[in-house]
Amino acid sequence: EAGVTQSPTHLIKTRGQQATLRCSPISGHTSVYWYQQALGLGLQFLLWYDEGEERNRGNFPPRFSGRQFPNYSSELNVNALELEDSALYLCASSWGRLLNQPQHFGDGTRLSIL
Amino acid sequence: AQSVSQHNHHVILSEAASLELGCNYSYGGTVNLFWYVQYPGQHLQLLLKYFSGDPLVKGIKGFEAEFIKSKFSFNLRKPSVQWSDTAEYFCAVNVASNTGKLIFGQGTTLQVKP
Repeated sequence: EAGVTQSPTHLIKTRGQQATLRCSPISGHTSVYWYQQALGLGLQFLLWYDEGEERNRGNFPPRFSGRQFPNYSSELNVNALELEDSALYLCASSWGRLLNQPQHFGDGTRLSIL
Repeated sequence: AQSVSQHNHHVILSEAASLELGCNYSYGGTVNLFWYVQYPGQHLQLLLKYFSGDPLVKGIKGFEAEFIKSKFSFNLRKPSVQWSDTAEYFCAVNVASNTGKLIFGQGTTLQVKP
């Protein structure tokens, strides 16, 4: 079974630009989650999408947004990039919204802001 | 706010030594508990999970963890480590309010010397 796939692997942007990160969940999974892993800050929850709807978001400014498509893939958009947005962005997926379904992670997109 | 604390940031062991990694969480209600592992160059993988029932759970590759509710702990153990266990280990919690959010500890880097 194919795992969670993320693209691109690396993304280099400058301050003020916009970045789009993409995620394809495991086949059959309807929930997609986004996390930020910044140096020294650990893994921080960003967003949760399920069945095309945003179900929850973490403590991040509105310039972090996303969407989930009918095929359950997802995009994370970061507008007005700042230097501190440099991080590894991880996508995870799970089967539905049930709590007893563990999240499965992709390899991540490393976003570097110059 | 809920949080997860991993006591050991960097552990160095020789092969065949026993391993115990500590994890404590702060939340008074029902929780689901996870240990994830990240081998060098790979994505986060689920080692084991606890939802309910027997507080001693067994995972892949000989790992086990014990949930002690009174101590808010979920420590990871392995009787005899191998060089291939060298990795970063993350404890994570989600609370039963169905936020989709996993709260991660800061991670423990385990280095096993052959």
